[in-house]
Amino acid sequence: EVQLVESGGGFIQPGGSLRLSCAVSGFTVSSNYMSWVRQAPGEGLEWVSVLYSGGTTFYADSVKGRFTISRDNSKNTLYLQMNSLRAEDTAVYYCTNYNYGDKVLDYWGQGTLVTVSS
Amino acid sequence: QSALTQPASVSGSPGQSITISCTGTSSDVGSFDYVSWYQQHPGKAPTLMIFEVNIRPSGVPARFSGSKSGNTASLTISGLQAEDEAYYYCGSYTSITTLWVFGGGTKLTVL
Repeated sequence: EVQLVESGGGFIQPGGSLRLSCAVSGFTVSSNYMSWVRQAPGEGLEWVSVLYSGGTTFYADSVKGRFTISRDNSKNTLYLQMNSLRAEDTAVYYCTNYNYGDKVLDYWGQGTLVTVSS
Repeated sequence: QSALTQPASVSGSPGQSITISCTGTSSDVGSFDYVSWYQQHPGKAPTLMIFEVNIRPSGVPARFSGSKSGNTASLTISGLQAEDEAYYYCGSYTSITTLWVFGGGTKLTVL
C-alpha cells in the first residue's frame, strides 16, 4: 500500500525557515518523480515544486530561490526546505507522487500546515 | 489568479448530471492530453478522479467521466450522489516553466 506522510509543519515568524518531510512507503522515492503542492486557507491548490528521479528540480515562481526540494534515499523521504518565509506561504503543504508517464499527481499525503505570522 | 479557469460553483439534485469546465490555453489544456481532475472534501487531501482527460483510476465510479475540446476540459458526474458534494480541481501539464497548473476549484453542491 502506498503511503505518504508529511511532517514538520508549524508556526513560524516571517523571515524564518522550516523543513518539511514526507516519509514514503510503497514505492521508492529515488525512482519516482515527487512533488509538493500547497493550499492556502480557503484557497485552491498551487503547485510548488518537483524533483525528478534524475535529480532535476523545478519550482513555482512564487518560491524560486527560497525553497529547496530534496530527498534522502536511505530514508525514502522527500523534503522541502523553506527559507525566508512570508505570510503568503501560509498553507497546507501536500507531498505527492508525480507520475511522469501519465503526467498526473496520483498519490497524495494528508498534508501538514505551515503558518507564517508575527 | 489560477492558470486554469473553473466555475466557482455548480449544483445539482441527486440522480442528475452536472458538468464542470476547465479552460486553459494552447500551452496546457489545448496542447496536451494530460488533464486530470481531483476531488477534495473539506479538511481532506485531494484524491485523483480522472487522468489523461478521460481515464478513471481503479476504484473511481463510472459515474465520473472526462472530456476535452480545444482549450477546455470537462468533468461530468452522472447520477449525482450526496457523497459527490465536494470541491473539484482540474490540473494540467504545461509547456511553460511551471510544468504544472491547477484550476481555481469548483464547489459542487448536491441539493
